[in-house]
Amino acid sequence: QITLKESGPTLVKPTQTLTLTCTFSGFSLSTSGVGVGWIRQPPGKALEWLALIYWDDDKRYSPSLKSRLTITKDTSKNQVVLTMTNMDPVDTATYYCAHKVVGLTGSFDYWGQGTLVTVSS
Amino acid sequence: DIVMTQTPLSSPVTLGQPASISCRSSQSLVHSDGNTYLSWLQQRPGQPPRLLIYKISNRFSGVPDRFSGSGAGTDFTLKISRVEAEDVGVYYCTQATQFPLTFGGGTKVEIK
Repeated sequence: QITLKESGPTLVKPTQTLTLTCTFSGFSLSTSGVGVGWIRQPPGKALEWLALIYWDDDKRYSPSLKSRLTITKDTSKNQVVLTMTNMDPVDTATYYCAHKVVGLTGSFDYWGQGTLVTVSS
Repeated sequence: DIVMTQTPLSSPVTLGQPASISCRSSQSLVHSDGNTYLSWLQQRPGQPPRLLIYKISNRFSGVPDRFSGSGAGTDFTLKISRVEAEDVGVYYCTQATQFPLTFGGGTKVEIK
């Protein structure tokens, strides 16, 4: 059974750096083809893909946010960490992590419950 | 970037009646490996998204057979054969053929 859970601060101040952790179970990020991604959703708005890391440490980022994002993995801890610098109120959103396998469904097939991050002074 | 455009924005449906959602991509979603990585997600109120359909027409594990997907190239459709109360929510199409991964704006399905 695949599960993912996001953790991190619920409130950050403008200009601060956000660090979110995705802790997962039921799969290994050392298995060929496996990836974990981050997606966010501002209140009442659509989904936006942020970043994705694969089993081989290949990393992909949203071009519009690439300069602010870093994604890393700790295979031994079954965790993926996303950092986003220079936070702004427009970054207020629910942040989700999700599982993906190359060529299988080709989509994020298992999602965490999400964590709401509010950016405010 | 591949832009995903969904219509309608909202779909009021009578219980037991069908519903249909369209999704158009700004470029062909056929991947070099021959697959078309177009998926549909359902997001019930207050819940995370859930994968319904992948690679145009394949139902994910546990998805009822009243949900079906079709299409090719740049035009895709999600159909619900008989809407049930638990189907209320927002539906998103999404593509994984090319980075950056992108989502449609969502279609809200509600009961009349």
